[in-house]
Amino acid sequence: DTAVSQTPKYLVTQMGNDKSIKCEQNLGHDTMYWYKQDSKKFLKIMFSYNNKELIINETVPNRFSPKSPDKAHLNLHINSLELGDSAVYFCASSQSGADTQYFGPGTRLTVL
Amino acid sequence: QQQVKQSPQSLIVQKGGISIINCAYENTAFDYFPWYQQFPGKGPALLIAIRPDVSEKKEGRFTISFNKSAKQFSLHIMDSQPGDSATYFCAASTNYGQNFVFGPGTRLSVLP
Repeated sequence: DTAVSQTPKYLVTQMGNDKSIKCEQNLGHDTMYWYKQDSKKFLKIMFSYNNKELIINETVPNRFSPKSPDKAHLNLHINSLELGDSAVYFCASSQSGADTQYFGPGTRLTVL
Repeated sequence: QQQVKQSPQSLIVQKGGISIINCAYENTAFDYFPWYQQFPGKGPALLIAIRPDVSEKKEGRFTISFNKSAKQFSLHIMDSQPGDSATYFCAASTNYGQNFVFGPGTRLSVLP
């Protein structure tokens, strides 16, 4: 039973395309996150979201948008993909009032 | 002020040796300091964490030392094993997971 799952694991696409990455957690958590890990392994939070509040890192381009159909899912939509978007994207979840974040296995996005 | 600094960038240790990774922060509002371990192709996973009300926490071969006045904390891995080879991230957060910030990571290689 995977606690936090992401699909796809690999995504290769052309510049200018629109793509989505899906994330699901079965931990019953109420807060979910998206992180970007660049080629130097630096982890940067992009969004945190619970049923009350979306917090956006101001450095994230508005081409990126999270969409949550329900508490267990937080999908990441990316419009007009650019070469610099190539990275590994991680979804994570936590329970509000607790500190530990649980990460998914990551999605490696390559923009050609 | 939100930054967490981490050193060294990479570390090579012989099997059985002690691995030490150091982190420093500026924001005195941080109240939770976790360490995450990431193996290649996997998402980060919580290894051990500490709050500022204690100066040391030990779990098996892993120990966090915390110096509140210096705003520094470190991870010590005793009797390092080749299976410990991974990237280690320190992090800090406030308010039960808000303002979660990762350090840049340390790539640890333990030689057999």
